[in-house]
Amino acid sequence: QVQLAESGGGVVQPGRSLRLSCAASGFTFSSYAMHWVRQAPGKGLEWLAVIWYDGSNKYYGDSVKGRFTISRDNSKNMLYVQMSSLRAEDTAVYYCARDRVGVKSNGFDNWGQGTLVTVSS
Amino acid sequence: DIPMTQSPSSLSASVGDRVTITCRASQSISTYLNWYQQKAGKAPKLLIYHASDLQSGVPSRFSGSGSGTDFTLTISSLQPEDFATYYCQQSYSTPYTFGQGTKLDIK
Repeated sequence: QVQLAESGGGVVQPGRSLRLSCAASGFTFSSYAMHWVRQAPGKGLEWLAVIWYDGSNKYYGDSVKGRFTISRDNSKNMLYVQMSSLRAEDTAVYYCARDRVGVKSNGFDNWGQGTLVTVSS
Repeated sequence: DIPMTQSPSSLSASVGDRVTITCRASQSISTYLNWYQQKAGKAPKLLIYHASDLQSGVPSRFSGSGSGTDFTLTISSLQPEDFATYYCQQSYSTPYTFGQGTKLDIK
């Protein structure tokens, strides 16, 4: 069965960097677009970034553009997001999610359990 | 960006009720509209994609309709496990924006 498992969350000081990872299994990872989505405590869902199946295209939400970088390693079935210049408002649970398709988007059909990032001094 | 607006923001209903949640896009998104269910402390779950296509394994009491700017999610007969928060999301263009959510609780 499809499994997505995020890791790398924790407490980080404002201005510092952090890299989250998402380990994928149970499907052909290299065939699907992948996303990062976050949810601040008590708030709604915020889409952050997408990377196409082959890594050829990447797109970002306005709030993280220029600070976050999405990447993937299809040989290791891994998705990443490198987060820099972190702010208090980046505090959230971060989810990786699989798209139903390899390019563009048609719904996120599998999600990880999420990893909590807390930005605080 | 394409803001998505859901209504209502919260809703109280009883088991067996028929419930409708609406979602409006600020511009036409054709049928690039998805619906998710999220229970407290859990990851979201895809219910409907492409406005009206039922995701595999989702009960048939869930249905979606609409195109252009106006969409609806209908639960034909509420079950106890359906009390949750529901989000719409457009996948027409990046950023793939979500609605603010509709919290459905027990009356």
